[in-house]
Amino acid sequence: GAGVSQSPRYKVAKRGQDVALRCDPISGHVSLFWYQQALGQGPEFLTYFQNEAQLDKSGLPSDRFFAERPEGSVSTLKIQRTQQEDSAVYLCASSKTTGEHTEAFFGQGTRLTVV
Amino acid sequence: DQQVKQNSPSLSVQEGRISILNCDYTNSMFDYFLWYKKYPAEGPTFLISISSIKDKNEDGRFTVFLNKSAKHLSLHIVPSQPGDSAVYFCAANWGNNDMRFGAGTRLTVKP
Repeated sequence: GAGVSQSPRYKVAKRGQDVALRCDPISGHVSLFWYQQALGQGPEFLTYFQNEAQLDKSGLPSDRFFAERPEGSVSTLKIQRTQQEDSAVYLCASSKTTGEHTEAFFGQGTRLTVV
Repeated sequence: DQQVKQNSPSLSVQEGRISILNCDYTNSMFDYFLWYKKYPAEGPTFLISISSIKDKNEDGRFTVFLNKSAKHLSLHIVPSQPGDSAVYFCAANWGNNDMRFGAGTRLTVKP
């Protein structure tokens, strides 16, 4: 597709349930990022992939959060045993290169509500 | 540790006037700065960027100014249009492409 695609757009999960959020980056983009955006805040960095390699996961808030990108394209962010504080919009972004600065393109996000 | 700060949560200007959005950062390692615009229910959209080797970058109605000594950058929109009404995020990165974002400023341009 032409842009970054995320699914589902909206997800309601019961506390304790596991969820999986999908990101389809722009074809050929090497870098992929996940961000968490709480209401009224800017996006907070979670993790970064360069192709299939997860180079930085310092932003993942706990070991309940796990991300993968096994073939260097589609990525999945998994949250186990969801808690209410996990409610947020999860944004995925991709960018073309790693060797020079370039802008990242964002998907529309997945709004997760934990009840 | 909030490394990128946007201290004004909102800004309201009249159509045709200048909008000035401000951003401060604390990490002197940042060497590339970006502004993103976000409409409701959409992801952020890239607007304009500036490298730390420059102090100004202009693209049509949008100009970004960088003051490295003050660790401050600003986005000027002139003339402002009602379609510019959105939330604007300042972002910064270095080396590893990781971007850090500010909390955003909601701009309202009144007709």
